[in-house]
Amino acid sequence: SAVISQKPSRDICQRGTSLTIQCQVDSQVTMMFWYRQQPGQSLTLIATANQGSEATYESGFVIDKFPISRPNLTFSTLTVSNMSPEDSSIYLCSVGGTSGTKEQFFGPGTRLTVL
Amino acid sequence: AQKITQTQPGMFVQEKEAVTLDCTYDTSDPSYGLFWYKQPSSGEMIFLIYQGSYDQQNATEGRYSLNFQKARKSANLVISASQLGDSAMYFCAMRELTGSYQLTFGKGTKLSVIP
Repeated sequence: SAVISQKPSRDICQRGTSLTIQCQVDSQVTMMFWYRQQPGQSLTLIATANQGSEATYESGFVIDKFPISRPNLTFSTLTVSNMSPEDSSIYLCSVGGTSGTKEQFFGPGTRLTVL
Repeated sequence: AQKITQTQPGMFVQEKEAVTLDCTYDTSDPSYGLFWYKQPSSGEMIFLIYQGSYDQQNATEGRYSLNFQKARKSANLVISASQLGDSAMYFCAMRELTGSYQLTFGKGTKLSVIP
């Protein structure tokens, strides 16, 4: 199984600022995903991070608010821009394999609080 | 569109007893995978078990087993011999194995193990 690390593990930020979350995987992976989990809620996919091309965003999420980078097959970043208290959530990086494989693992998450 | 339904917001089980967490799903894709994850209060998502739509046998992983009833579109998680450390949120998720590999999650079930 892939070992995934995220930085930071948690942060408290002021309204209007931005935070960049890093996701590092110990092996090359094709698919990387960013999920958000608002307090008391389930997980919602923000975007799929594609290596060498722009990320693919889900409905309700836009690049200006959540810019994503994927410079190589082991690393990705998610930036939460111009934060408001509604952005307080756990942000999770996930990696998956190709069709037919069952691997779908998550990083430890970044717990973000916006004041 | 995919949909996952978990109808039990909370469950209690006596230590050492077995418990079943319900999950039903809806998809028009004949090729899909079903996942169960455990989320303790720390926030990390721990992969428990996987069932492919074409798998002939129900999946088992240690104390976890998946009761897969394809005709009824249900994928219930059975935890045998519950332990205090099993207290957590449990999420059922599905991924279609063609096209996008994103996971769709249910709302989760909070399991509390009573000593």
